[in-house]
Amino acid sequence: EDKVVQSPLSLVVHEGDTVTLNCSYEVTNFRSLLWYKQEKKAPTFLFMLTSSGIEKKSGRLSSILDKKELFSILNITATQTGDSAVYLCAVPTSGTYKYIFGTGTRLKVLA
Amino acid sequence: DVKVTQSSRYLVKRTGEKVFLECVQDMDHENMFWYRQDPGLGLRLIYFSYDVKMKEKGDIPEGYSVSREKKERFSLILESASTNQTSMYLCASSTPGTGGGSEQFFGPGTRLTVL
Repeated sequence: EDKVVQSPLSLVVHEGDTVTLNCSYEVTNFRSLLWYKQEKKAPTFLFMLTSSGIEKKSGRLSSILDKKELFSILNITATQTGDSAVYLCAVPTSGTYKYIFGTGTRLKVLA
Repeated sequence: DVKVTQSSRYLVKRTGEKVFLECVQDMDHENMFWYRQDPGLGLRLIYFSYDVKMKEKGDIPEGYSVSREKKERFSLILESASTNQTSMYLCASSTPGTGGGSEQFFGPGTRLTVL
């Protein structure tokens, strides 16, 4: 059965800290992994990763994929209170348009 | 600015009522999705549609149906609402992608409470 597991479930840090969020997956015929940020409402897209070892970066956020060990990490450096959110990862399942989402990591950044 | 809109932010219905949740996207996307999001369970796919009048069941279709008569509109129908359908409902749309998946654009969500 295809599955996506995120860890930790929740995290509390102080402003300026660096955090690493994990997403591991078991999916037949893996094609890509997507990261989203969800604040109070709709998830918003962060990154899509398809190739191992190639870092994607946007400001203080970066992400990398390891297709051999079947996981991805999302790093946030110099965290700010505005980074407080639930971070979701999703993987499309084999041969379909369906995506499996992890349960998310809830990040709280304290001032 | 790309946009997915949902007809209601908050909705309160009674057990047994028929409930319609509407979703409209203005990006000419082929794919549209309905998810429900519950604490500890993440986003679970109810139904998706890859073209007008085409639909496929997701992981939890029981108690739901969908309609896609026009490309921009995807409706979720609760035939007879029950209390266990109290949840946040999220609509999303995407292009088919190049075979590797593609970004989904989400609506703001409808928080449905069934009494």
